[in-house]
Amino acid sequence: GENVEQHPSTLSVQEGDSAVIKCTYSDSASNYFPWYKQELGKRPQLIIDIRSNVGEKKDQRIAVTLNKTAKHFSLHITETQPEDSAVYFCAAYTGGFKTIFGAGTRLFVKA
Amino acid sequence: DGGITQSPKYLFRKEGQNVTLSCEQNLNHDAMYWYRQDPGQGLRLIYYSQIVNDFQKGDIAEGYSVSREKKESFPLTVTSAQKNPTAFYLCASSKTGYGETQYFGPGTRLLVL
Repeated sequence: GENVEQHPSTLSVQEGDSAVIKCTYSDSASNYFPWYKQELGKRPQLIIDIRSNVGEKKDQRIAVTLNKTAKHFSLHITETQPEDSAVYFCAAYTGGFKTIFGAGTRLFVKA
Repeated sequence: DGGITQSPKYLFRKEGQNVTLSCEQNLNHDAMYWYRQDPGQGLRLIYYSQIVNDFQKGDIAEGYSVSREKKESFPLTVTSAQKNPTAFYLCASSKTGYGETQYFGPGTRLLVL
């Protein structure tokens, strides 16, 4: 069945460094890829998304890249800050009403 | 954070008891979803609904039931058939259900006594 694999499961970086989270999807028909940030005990919130007709999208310190051939997409956070510490989920929309979520990456930004 | 609300924030279930989790949205969204989140895992889809009086099973529907009598409301019942209900339950909505942002409620944490 459809699957989204997300790596790493935990990531620790020093404040000011960059963080990269990678996801791979299985369904080649997937055409919408959102990223959500979930702080402890809170609801997931969209931070950036990308559609399959675009290779890269950037919003201030956050960027997402998509490689349709390889079926993987990545989240890049530059100049990390302590408030970036959270769990990040990638997801892939596979058609119908179904969005498959990755298992999440817990990001720690050390001050 | 407004627009989609869930209640209660915490819910305790006794053995053999059915409990109902509330989800309401005022975003005028057609599609609504229920997800289950376990520690260290992603979101798993329980049920989804695109329109009133219609809903579909997700990947882990066994032991759960839903209704969609009003566009703004999508309650989830955890039945006694669900043997391992302890989890964080998230409700979400989106405009149409076709490849777009989902907006999540604040969640309900269900614990078994």
